This record gives sequence, structure tokens and C-alpha cells, in this order.
Amino acid sequence: DQQVKQNSPSLSVQEGRISILNCDYTNSMFDYFLWYKKYPAEGPTFLISISSIKDKNEDGRFTVFLNKSAKHLSLHIVPSQPGDSAVYFCAASGATNAGKSTFGDGTTLTVKP
Amino acid sequence: KAGVTQTPRYLIKTRGQQVTLSCSPISGHRSVSWYQQTPGQGLQFLFEYFSETQRNKGNFPGRFSGRQFSNSRSEMNVSTLELGDSALYLCASSLAGFSGGAAFFGPGTRLTVL
Repeated sequence: DQQVKQNSPSLSVQEGRISILNCDYTNSMFDYFLWYKKYPAEGPTFLISISSIKDKNEDGRFTVFLNKSAKHLSLHIVPSQPGDSAVYFCAASGATNAGKSTFGDGTTLTVKP
Repeated sequence: KAGVTQTPRYLIKTRGQQVTLSCSPISGHRSVSWYQQTPGQGLQFLFEYFSETQRNKGNFPGRFSGRQFSNSRSEMNVSTLELGDSALYLCASSLAGFSGGAAFFGPGTRLTVL
């Protein structure tokens, strides 16, 4: 039973346009949701997070939206840049399991110049 | 501040052997988590150590074990290696655990089992 799902394995967008990466979860006990970016031969790098008490969090070009009723979150990147090309992982964690995060399978984003 | 370091970066072993991977967290971080990433898969949680105690454990067989030392450095051991254990093993550190806070990942150890 995969509790965190990223249904799109890949996404391709033009430079300057918006990139929208989606993530669905099934466990209502998750309290925090995080997005990580991963380049080849490197470990994942934290990008942005959101608490379950919020529905939006912004950091520069990156915005994460959370829809608790739909158990859905999305990451918006505006404007997209070629350097954003990477694998993006959605992750979720709960207060009762503080040291454990459940990750999705990742979405490969390609931003074309 | 130095990042998370993992050694070795690459490892080739044969079936039946055992292997030990090492992780040095960011200075001051007390939580160390281990993840396995196989091709096309997300990160699968192995276990998490906090102040030398295993605090969380994923759904991996007992062949996978770990420990944490008083300086927060952690080791992961896999015994009786199988072909399916070939993967990228990632270590992540954080101040007190994941919930609400970001984890900082090392570059990983690429294990190949022949």
C-alpha cells in the first residue's frame, strides 16, 4: 500500500512557464509534507514544506498547495528555469513518527530552454 | 558547516557477503535516518536513530541493521547480501527528526551486488 503517490513519472515544460508537480496521499495522520529535489549522483535536497494546518506556503519561485479534503498537494514553480530540471520527490511525515518520512516515487521535471 | 558524508561512495559485493556503510551527520544533528532507493523507485525508509536508539523501523528484513554512536555517526549493515539489495543507500540527518523539519541527505552509497 503506497501511502504517497506521484502519478506522473515525468513532466516537460518550456522555460519561463509554470511547472506543476502533483502528489496524493492516503494517510490522514500525516502532519507535514515536504518536497525534495534530486540531481543525478547527489542526495535529495530539501525544497519547501507545508504543515497540515496551512493550505499554502511560498518561497520565492516555489509554492506548495495543500488540499486536505482531497489528500492532495502540488508544487508550483514559476517561472521554470532549465536548472530546475531534476527529480522531485514528495514526502510526508507524522508527529507520531517523527523520524520517518514516506516518499513518493518521484517526478522527473525537464525544463526546455 | 560540513554536510552529511557517506562512505564509501561505491561498493561492489557478491551474494552472501555482508557490507557496512557509514554516515556522518551534520554537526549537532542527533537524528540519522537511512533510506534505500532502487531504480525507478522512491526512497524506502529503513530505520532512524536518535541519540543512539533506534526510534523508527521500516519494513525490511532483519538482514538490515544499524547503530548509532555517541557522536551521532551511524552505520548500516546488510548481511547475506542478495542481488535485490543493489541500490543507492541514502543517509539523512536532522536536528530532532523529520516531522516539521527538513532532513539533509548525504550523496549516498551505491551498492552493487553481483
